Amino acid sequence: NAGVTQTPKFQVLKTGQSMTLQCAQDMNHEYMSWYRQDPGMGLRLIHYSVGAGITDQGEVPNGYNVSRSTTEDFPLRLLSAAPSQTSVYFCASRGIGTAQRDEQFFGPGTRLTVL
Amino acid sequence: QQQVKQSPQSLIVQKGGISIINCAYENTAFDYFPWYQQFPGKGPALLIAIRPDVSEKKEGRFTISFNKSAKQFSLHIMDSQPGDSATYFCAALSTGNQFYFGTGTSLTVIP
Repeated sequence: NAGVTQTPKFQVLKTGQSMTLQCAQDMNHEYMSWYRQDPGMGLRLIHYSVGAGITDQGEVPNGYNVSRSTTEDFPLRLLSAAPSQTSVYFCASRGIGTAQRDEQFFGPGTRLTVL
Repeated sequence: QQQVKQSPQSLIVQKGGISIINCAYENTAFDYFPWYQQFPGKGPALLIAIRPDVSEKKEGRFTISFNKSAKQFSLHIMDSQPGDSATYFCAALSTGNQFYFGTGTSLTVIP
């Protein structure tokens, strides 16, 4: 069981460039989320998905797109990178059943710098 | 608007001492209150959690105290060790199935 995996671990972009952050989980979890972590601001929800083909916006969705074509994968796309998107990005997953909804598993993170 | 407020931002404790981190929330539609531990370069990991029908939960050296009427909960780390040095996040899970996180506390335990 690899859990939640994220690639790349580090990335440097120039303003205006686009890129995709990859996330995959092997726990057959329905619920997947993307968070960004900034100093003094905790973890903020960007987008989430409750299953393949279903996505929705979180607290800070602007500048990001997501799609969920399979249960396992949940990529995050930056359309036109801006310095304000410099952050550490975490993908997370959990089940949606009553017994599973509570425990959220996080990936190791992607540290993104936008110059 | 921060749904979950966490304090202090940073904490320095001597080895063997007690570390206390506090959180407060406004929304009464939360039904699960976890604490996450995060080491540098790693993702957060669930440490301990409590539901609002319980006032205290203890797992080893870690204890959550929960005060439903005051809408507050806290993490106590007894006999703090250098290996406990990490960032701690409180969180709350809404009945709408979304997590809300505190801003984090950086704990340093001095040998």
